Amino acid sequence: TQLLEQSPQFLSIQEGENLTVYCNSSSVFSSLQWYRQEPGEGPVLLVTVVTGGEVKKLKRLTFQFGDARKDSSLHITAAQPGDTGLYLCAGGDMRFGAGTRLTVKP
Amino acid sequence: DTGVSQNPRHKITKRGQNVTFRCDPISEHNRLYWYRQTLGQGPEFLTYFQNEAQLEKSRLLSDRFSAERPKGSFSTLEIQRTEQGDSAMYLCASSLRRIEGEAFFGQGTRLTVV
Repeated sequence: TQLLEQSPQFLSIQEGENLTVYCNSSSVFSSLQWYRQEPGEGPVLLVTVVTGGEVKKLKRLTFQFGDARKDSSLHITAAQPGDTGLYLCAGGDMRFGAGTRLTVKP
Repeated sequence: DTGVSQNPRHKITKRGQNVTFRCDPISEHNRLYWYRQTLGQGPEFLTYFQNEAQLEKSRLLSDRFSAERPKGSFSTLEIQRTEQGDSAMYLCASSLRRIEGEAFFGQGTRLTVV
């Protein structure tokens, strides 16, 4: 099992601020996924990154896969209250990190 | 097909009782996963199927837990002799084998053992 560590565990910011959350491992992944989960719901897939150094953008969200394919980051620009949720990363073997719980205050 | 469906959404049971949950995956998806999630944690892998074959089972899964996917379509997860520590959200996800790691989740079954 390839372990994924996510940081920070909790993040509370004001609307309009930028933030970055991280997903790290000592293992190499063939792909890595980011999901967002809202209370009482299942996780929803945001993006898959496959190539080392790859950058993908989804509106105000920017995802980067590390060159060595061991880590990834998610950057949110001008956060909005609707971005509030649990952000999870998962390796290609469908094992998840513990997540970053983001709260964006209006 | 509107996505992964899980039933029931909520289940309250007394300690010692058996419970069974059902998951209906997206119809063309050949992989099906079960997870357990407690408050503030990420989904914890329990087991997965490719078609009807159970290919992996977590060591964390005690022998009170069993899962089946008899015809490679829907799956059931049974917990025997429930304990209070089994209280959690049980999530099911399905995916296509050729799209590694891209899974679609159901809304989960929240189990409360009293």
